[in-house]
Amino acid sequence: QSALTQPASVSGSPGQSITISCTGTTSDVGGYDYVSWYQQYPGKAPKLMIYDVSNRPSGVSNRFSGSKSGNTASLTISGLQAEDEADYYCSSYTSSSTYVVFGGGTKLTVL
Amino acid sequence: QVQLVQSGAEVKKPGASVKVSCKASGYTFTNNGISWVRQAPGQGLEWMGWISAFNGLTKYAQKLQGRVTLTTDTSTSTAYMELRSLRYDDTAVYYCARGYGDSVSLDYWGQGTLVTVSS
Repeated sequence: QSALTQPASVSGSPGQSITISCTGTTSDVGGYDYVSWYQQYPGKAPKLMIYDVSNRPSGVSNRFSGSKSGNTASLTISGLQAEDEADYYCSSYTSSSTYVVFGGGTKLTVL
Repeated sequence: QVQLVQSGAEVKKPGASVKVSCKASGYTFTNNGISWVRQAPGQGLEWMGWISAFNGLTKYAQKLQGRVTLTTDTSTSTAYMELRSLRYDDTAVYYCARGYGDSVSLDYWGQGTLVTVSS
């Protein structure tokens, strides 16, 4: 069981917007602005899409955005494209002895 | 360009140890920490630990404490992950990844190393 809770799957049609949630506790998501989001294609290494809740690394499309409210962080993808179909993972710093925790991952399907 | 190149796949017996390397290039090695993350077949990502390439300070996931050791060799810009007393459920792809500045985010990842534990 992962420390952060994500929906197992989400789907959307091209051009639409979708949001993936990531729920933790006050010891991780809710307590610190250190939430990251990663995109992973099958058989490939993850790619950083969002860091520190809402910041995009250079080169990441501005269709990807992050936010946080209370103990839940969210990744929003606007203008959905076929190439966005992938697995998405959130992670957070945690004050527990584990230091960093991941969500269980969300499979995004572009219909 | 930043690159992290990991050592090749390994097959180990239960109870054995494995040591995976991660050679960095394209940046000043001691400016960033290195984290290790593993992914069992068909499963999600699991954070294993972090090491400062500057001073060797380490943090480990509680679940693996006592079985995992992270080290670096600054002369070759290489990070290492050793996992001991291997069990069947340690079968996974192991990734090294560079820390993004002062954040806990990971901006560059190695290609992954498959470690298979099998009798």
